[in-house]
Amino acid sequence: SQKIEQNSEALNIQEGKTATLTCNYTNYSPAYLQWYRQDPGRGPVFLLLIRENEKEKRKERLKVTFDTTLKQSLFHITASQPADSATYLCAPQRTGRRALTFGSGTRLQVQP
Amino acid sequence: GAGVSQSPSNKVTEKGKDVELRCDPISGHTALYWYRQSLGQGLEFLIYFQGNSAPDKSGLPSDRFSAERTGGSVSTLTIQRTQQEDSAVYLCASSQVSGQNTGELFFGEGSRLTVL
Repeated sequence: SQKIEQNSEALNIQEGKTATLTCNYTNYSPAYLQWYRQDPGRGPVFLLLIRENEKEKRKERLKVTFDTTLKQSLFHITASQPADSATYLCAPQRTGRRALTFGSGTRLQVQP
Repeated sequence: GAGVSQSPSNKVTEKGKDVELRCDPISGHTALYWYRQSLGQGLEFLIYFQGNSAPDKSGLPSDRFSAERTGGSVSTLTIQRTQQEDSAVYLCASSQVSGQNTGELFFGEGSRLTVL
């Protein structure tokens, strides 16, 4: 069956460092992969979408990679700030008008 | 409003009662999704509406759950004979589908359901 794996353990890093979050998927051939941020008590907010033919995508301090051979996406936040503390969710997306399914998310805590 | 609106934001009910949760998507968005999120857990897909196509109901956990979308806009999620395990935050999202890309999802703030 299709499976999306994100590290369930919280990631704790110091302010200013680069945070790297991992999303692995199995039995999937996604054409796109989306990343979302969720703050406690709030709905998720879209951050980035990367296509299968894009190896890397950047937006300000965010960088996403997509390796379809390894079936993995990495999400990087450079120069992290305490305000980046949140849960980050990945969502591999197949082609076609299908529902989006999400990984369980990784909680990031940036210490000042 | 400009975003996805959900109501009620909080609902406390007694076991066995029926509840209705409402979602008002962003105007013009053809796709609408319902997810459930239990405390500390990830998003569990429930149901997906896309235009006039038959909804994808594959995520509904039991026949006590149903949803409809009227006029391609507002959606109502109904839970009949609620159980304590139904307690969760129910999140609605909408998106503007473009070609084969589902597009980014815009989420509401959720309806927190507590079944006593």
